[in-house]
Amino acid sequence: AQKVTQAQTEISVVEKEDVTLDCVYETRDTTYYLFWYKQPPSGELVFLIRRNSFDEQNEISGRYSWNFQKSTSSFNFTITASQVVDSAVYFCALSEIKGSSGSARQLTFGSGTQLTVLP
Amino acid sequence: EAGVTQFPSHSVIEKGQTVTLRCDPISGHDNLYWYRRVMGKEIKFLLHFVKESKQDESGMPNNRFLAERTGGTYSTLKVQPAELEDSGVYFCASSQDYRRAPTYNEQFFGPGTRLTVL
Repeated sequence: AQKVTQAQTEISVVEKEDVTLDCVYETRDTTYYLFWYKQPPSGELVFLIRRNSFDEQNEISGRYSWNFQKSTSSFNFTITASQVVDSAVYFCALSEIKGSSGSARQLTFGSGTQLTVLP
Repeated sequence: EAGVTQFPSHSVIEKGQTVTLRCDPISGHDNLYWYRRVMGKEIKFLLHFVKESKQDESGMPNNRFLAERTGGTYSTLKVQPAELEDSGVYFCASSQDYRRAPTYNEQFFGPGTRLTVL
């Protein structure tokens, strides 16, 4: 069975601080995808990033960066120079890769981390 | 292109009543998923349609929940009778047929329906 753990339920930072959101996962699959979604106050889930389990190269996109470490089953997300608009609930998720059929896969989510960026 | 839409955005009902949630996926998306988030917990998978067929309904909590997708377009999720523990946010997501997706058929989420059972 798959499991995603986001131990931080709430984080508050002051604007311009850097903040890292932790994500630890469990899966018996050798290949899988990892995701981060953002849920702003408006409610919708906004896709941020997808990583493939065989690509451990870390990624930077603007103020966002992701640190994927397969050895520790972690996929942490860092926001540099945080802004008030970054305030949201952030969800980490995991999806298996169903063989060669490529069929769509359900997502297993963590419980989310509420990030509040104070002005 | 319109995104995934859900109706209603909020619903408040009393225990024992029936509620029907609707999801309109992105046009042309064969895959449709229902998820829900109960207060403060993780978002959990409920079921997956491929066109009008139920591909996986392993996440449906019990037989008070009935999902349909007639004609393979929009989907409804009916809760009858509703219980207090059904309160939460119900999300719908859709994705295109994997054979048309270059690498991964990403799921696009709707804004969710917040259900409150009193």
